[in-house]
Amino acid sequence: DVKVTQSSRYLVKRTGEKVFLECVQDMDHENMFWYRQDPGLGLRLIYFSYDVKMKEKGDIPEGYSVSREKKERFSLILESASTNQTSMYLCASSFPYGQGPTQYFGPGTRLLVL
Amino acid sequence: GDSVTQMEGPVTLSEEAFLTINCTYTATGYPSLFWYVQYPGEGLQLLLKATKADDKGSNKGFEATYRKETTSFHLEKGSVQVSDSAVYFCAPMRAGSYQLTFGKGTKLSVIP
Repeated sequence: DVKVTQSSRYLVKRTGEKVFLECVQDMDHENMFWYRQDPGLGLRLIYFSYDVKMKEKGDIPEGYSVSREKKERFSLILESASTNQTSMYLCASSFPYGQGPTQYFGPGTRLLVL
Repeated sequence: GDSVTQMEGPVTLSEEAFLTINCTYTATGYPSLFWYVQYPGEGLQLLLKATKADDKGSNKGFEATYRKETTSFHLEKGSVQVSDSAVYFCAPMRAGSYQLTFGKGTKLSVIP
């Protein structure tokens, strides 16, 4: 069974704090993704990584950075959290081959920035 | 860029009713098409997918057919259950890309 885990289910931070969201997958997937989910907007891609130390910007990368030092782990970093980054953050992973590879999602981290 | 238009919710149905959630997309080439489901308090999970025209994806009584001529991938179920209450997302994946473009989601509530 594929498992994608995220370090926290709920997180409360102050404006200006540096925030780390961790994601770990156990399926040896090359691709990993970070999304944010907001009511009425669906999921939007923040960053994507297709290999260790490789990353690509998604649709809304501003205010975020990522780190992928090991294949199984993909971190999302909010350098200086702001209230408009209050959201649900979802991590996903997939293989990089085949037609239409399935993305497997973690349970999400609900972040509140005060 | 790619985009998805999904039927707006929320949708409320009685148990055993027929369900249709419409989805149309714009994407270059021949995308793969997905429906994901999110149960309350959980992450997304794949419900079904189709990778070429006229393919039908199916799972848990849900079905969707890849209609290239109408660029649609409507989700259907003949008889919904209370346990189907969730948010449903339509998402194309452009050929040669591994990125999904998600619709805004349709919240379904099934009442006994």
